[in-house]
Amino acid sequence: KQEVTQIPAALSVPEGENLVLNCSFTDSAIYNLQWFRQDPGKGLTSLLLIQSSQREQTSGRLNASLDKSSGRSTLYIAASQPGDSATYLCAVNDYKLSFGAGTTVTVRA
Amino acid sequence: NAGVTQTPKFQVLKTGQSMTLQCAQDMNHEYMSWYRQDPGMGLRLIHYSVGAGITDQGEVPNGYNVSRSTTEDFPLRLLSAAPSQTSVYFCASSFSLRSSTTDTQYFGPGTRLTVL
Repeated sequence: KQEVTQIPAALSVPEGENLVLNCSFTDSAIYNLQWFRQDPGKGLTSLLLIQSSQREQTSGRLNASLDKSSGRSTLYIAASQPGDSATYLCAVNDYKLSFGAGTTVTVRA
Repeated sequence: NAGVTQTPKFQVLKTGQSMTLQCAQDMNHEYMSWYRQDPGMGLRLIHYSVGAGITDQGEVPNGYNVSRSTTEDFPLRLLSAAPSQTSVYFCASSFSLRSSTTDTQYFGPGTRLTVL
């Protein structure tokens, strides 16, 4: 059974600092990994999807890396802004999506 | 496109009552799924469907039924509500879960269910 862990559970940084969010998974036989953002009381919005054959994926200030052999992915958010405050979840696809519990980020102005 | 829609947004039930949570998508997605989200536990898969007429159980299926008569709709039925089913329920869809570029999951806004 795939287990997905996100550490830390919460993170608070001053505006402008770079964010590093970690995701680890136990079974490396995956199709892809997806990072989501969730605002309070809202649904999930897809940020980045990395295929199992890729090492990283970039979108604007966001960069996600994937090391399938070690079961790790990292989401980097450059030059954080208060609008980046949200919960970030990773999900591993091995034909079923398995989610981590998320990292709640607060960016202080 | 409306994307993935869910109704109702909020619902309060008494123990033993039944109800159906509605989910619809207008993106012609084959794969649809239901999750529940509980504090500190992430999202857990309840049931999923890979196409009309095909459904399967996820991680926590007990107490829930699904059917998929059309590509667009994937309702979730609570047979006899229990307080343990108090949660936020999300419906999601994608073209597939096994292709290279079309696996992005699109989520609905959620249904907040309280069972008293």
